[in-house]
Order: sequence, then structure tokens, then C-alpha cells
Amino acid sequence: DAGITQSPRYKITETGRQVTLMCHQTWSHSYMFWYRQDLGHGLRLIYYSAAADITDKGEVPDGYVVSRSKTENFPLTLESATRSQTSVYFCASSVSGTGVNQPQHFGDGTRLSIL
Amino acid sequence: AQSVTQLDSQVPVFEEAPVELRCNYSSSVSVYLFWYVQYPNQGLQLLLKYLSGSTLVKGINGFEAEFNKSQTSFHLRKPSVHISDTAEYFCAVSGLQGAQKLVFGQGTRLTINP
Repeated sequence: DAGITQSPRYKITETGRQVTLMCHQTWSHSYMFWYRQDLGHGLRLIYYSAAADITDKGEVPDGYVVSRSKTENFPLTLESATRSQTSVYFCASSVSGTGVNQPQHFGDGTRLSIL
Repeated sequence: AQSVTQLDSQVPVFEEAPVELRCNYSSSVSVYLFWYVQYPNQGLQLLLKYLSGSTLVKGINGFEAEFNKSQTSFHLRKPSVHISDTAEYFCAVSGLQGAQKLVFGQGTRLTINP
């Protein structure tokens, strides 16, 4: 049971660089989510996806791009990284959002530092 | 839109003492309620959830929470804590429809002292 895997676990980069965080889940869950965790803010939703090729903005989408060409993968790209995007990023997935509630399952996170 | 307020950013308690972590929410529609736990350098694990029915919900590791609709609260309790309960705890809400996106509180760091 591999579950949900994020890579890399740690990343250091410089301002202005492009960086992509990977998320892979083995459950075939339809919904996937990206959150960022910052002290004093808890977790905030960046983007989410209801299915392959369907994505939508969350609370803090500016500066981020997502894609979902396959159900199991949901990469998050920072096209031109800024210091304010230094954070811990979590990917999550769930079976379905409508009707019967299923909890979201979280990866172990990617700690991203932008110098 | 929903919002969640966790009333304590840090809660220190002694081992085997009871603990309550407080959570209040705001929403114009019905919500689902959750408590997640985060151990150091790990992702979030679901402790318990309230969907409907009995307002007292039991979760893993001996935790329970009570949904109070009139006070819009969902406080987490444990009668006797262990050193291993040291972690960050997050209260979260979601709507009932669609993606059921989670809105999180700021988190409460629970520290258990021997």
C-alpha cells in the first residue's frame, strides 16, 4: 500500500527559478489537492483537481500552476519562485467529493526553501 | 465561506492528565468537521470526523470530540494523555457538496511533559 508519495522531500532553490513538486497516488482517487503550510496559517489550499484534466483554484493560487494529465499524478509548479513561497507543501487525495464524505489522505510533504 | 479558529496555539500538559483542544467554526451552511494530527516531519493523519448523527465522535488513539451546533464548536478531548500524543493538531471543516475542500484552523501544538 504505497498510498500518496511526494517528491522531493526537501528542495532548496533560488528566486526566479522554476521548480516542480511531484505528487503520486496509488489509490485512483478522483480528487487531489495541494496545500501550503505556514506558521500561524495552518494549511491553505492552493489548487485542487476533481479528475484528470479538471483543475480549479483554491485560496492562494497566485504564482502556482498545476496540471493533471493522469489520475494518479498532480504536479505543482512554481514558474518563478519567490521567497514568500518558502513553505511546506502537502498533497492530498480523496475518493469523491459529492455525497458520501471520504477523508483526505495526505502525503509527507515537501519542505521548499527559496533563497 | 467557512472559517475555523483554534483558540490555543500551544497547550502544555503533564502526562496522564486530561486535555481539551478548542475549535470554533463559522459557516453559513452545514459542514463536516474533522480533527487531524501531524507528527514531526510527517503529513496529516485523520483523528476523527463528524458527518452527522451522534454529536460525540470517537476517534483513534483514545481521542473524542463533541459537536455543538449552537456554539459552533468541535472541541477535541482525551482523558489521559501520553508522551506520544505530542504533536500538532488541526481542526478543519468542509462543505457537504462538490470537492469538499478543507478549511483548516491555525493548529494547536500539544506538548506532553513527563
